[in-house]
Amino acid sequence: GENVEQHPSTLSVQEGDSAVIKCTYSDSASNYFPWYKQELGKRPQLIIDIRSNVGEKKDQRIAVTLNKTAKHFSLHITETQPEDSAVYFCAASIQGGGTSYGKLTFGQGTILTVHP
Amino acid sequence: EAQVTQNPRYLITVTGKKLTVTCSQNMNHEYMSWYRQDPGLGLRQIYYSMNVEVTDKGDVPEGYKVSRKEKRNFPLILESPSPNQTSLYFCASSLSKGGYNEQFFGPGTRLTVL
Repeated sequence: GENVEQHPSTLSVQEGDSAVIKCTYSDSASNYFPWYKQELGKRPQLIIDIRSNVGEKKDQRIAVTLNKTAKHFSLHITETQPEDSAVYFCAASIQGGGTSYGKLTFGQGTILTVHP
Repeated sequence: EAQVTQNPRYLITVTGKKLTVTCSQNMNHEYMSWYRQDPGLGLRQIYYSMNVEVTDKGDVPEGYKVSRKEKRNFPLILESPSPNQTSLYFCASSLSKGGYNEQFFGPGTRLTVL
């Protein structure tokens, strides 16, 4: 089955700096890569996702890149703010078509701390 | 309001005492899933269901049971809880047909087994 590795496990940055979290996956059939943010005591919530037919996607201060050949994808947060402090999870999935599966395999999570 | 709900939110129990954690969604989603979250291990899937009466094991199913008698409900059953099942549990749901479908998570249930 799919295996997703996420690094680093903890990341500490100063406000205004950029943060990068990296994930690798094992199953070349995976075609959907969401990122979830989990604030302390809250549920995971989707912040951005990317499909395998796209190499990069941006949404304001966050962006995700995907390298299908190397089977890795990354989350980039620019101009970090204290409210970006949370646990971030990457995931990989095989989706699409008439028999969408939907199983998400998650990475281990990255605790991001943004210091004011 | 579209949402996934879980009950109870917190539960302390003793080894061997059967318990059920309920999960309900009002978005008419076909796909539902249970995860457990443990420090350093991320979210690991316990069981999932593609639709009513269709369930299958995830990555860590031992010690758990599920049922899907109605589309909106997907209870997680621990027949004989043990301390290694102490964890934070999340239910999630999504559409399953076509497209690339976001999973919506419930608020979580923190279970402690003594």
